[in-house]
Amino acid sequence: GAVVSQHPSRVICKSGTSVKIECRSLDFQATTMFWYRQFPKQSLMLMATSNEGSKATYEQGVEKDKFLINHASLTLSTLTVTSAHPEDSSFYICSARDLAPTGISADTQYFGPGTRLTVL
Amino acid sequence: DAKTTQPNSMESNEEEPVHLPCNHSTISGTDYIHWYRQLPSQGPEYVIHGLTSNVNNRMASLAIAEDRKSSTLILHRATLRDAAVYYCILRGGGGSNYKLTFGKGTLLTVNP
Repeated sequence: GAVVSQHPSRVICKSGTSVKIECRSLDFQATTMFWYRQFPKQSLMLMATSNEGSKATYEQGVEKDKFLINHASLTLSTLTVTSAHPEDSSFYICSARDLAPTGISADTQYFGPGTRLTVL
Repeated sequence: DAKTTQPNSMESNEEEPVHLPCNHSTISGTDYIHWYRQLPSQGPEYVIHGLTSNVNNRMASLAIAEDRKSSTLILHRATLRDAAVYYCILRGGGGSNYKLTFGKGTLLTVNP
């Protein structure tokens, strides 16, 4: 099956620093990648939709200057949390859609394992 | 996006079938019914999806009501590894950009 990886799996940083999270589709090309955030005991919240070679589309209430998204290739999207603060501590999850889906994968999102961000 | 309603939690015994209900009374004709599940501290995992007809795969079965206002995810023999939060999501067809809107889901506990 299609695999999506995230790096790092866990990061701890000081307040005010920037953190970059990578999302890679390992065995398929992804035309669209999605970034979610999940606080403890809550559901996933979509932050933005990222299309290769174009600007990301952010959901209402998500600061695009704080959460920078780059989708430079069909297998890599990055999320940079700029000037991180303790309230940004969360579980960040990416997902990807297959560029050339066949059968069941035509309507499936493949999720990464998530990145746990802790801002001190 | 049309909303879904699921019980907050359900409990099952190992090796017994589990029926997870989902109500979606405002579903439109082009909305697909998707099920994902999330194990603790992991990203969600695709389970199954359908439009009108019942669907089966190696993980589960999806039973869709004739009026499409509700559906049921069926795990035929629950195992301890099936303990997770199960999300029922309506994904709009056409130009929805395939966004998924997650609700609170159903926390399934499987007892040994």
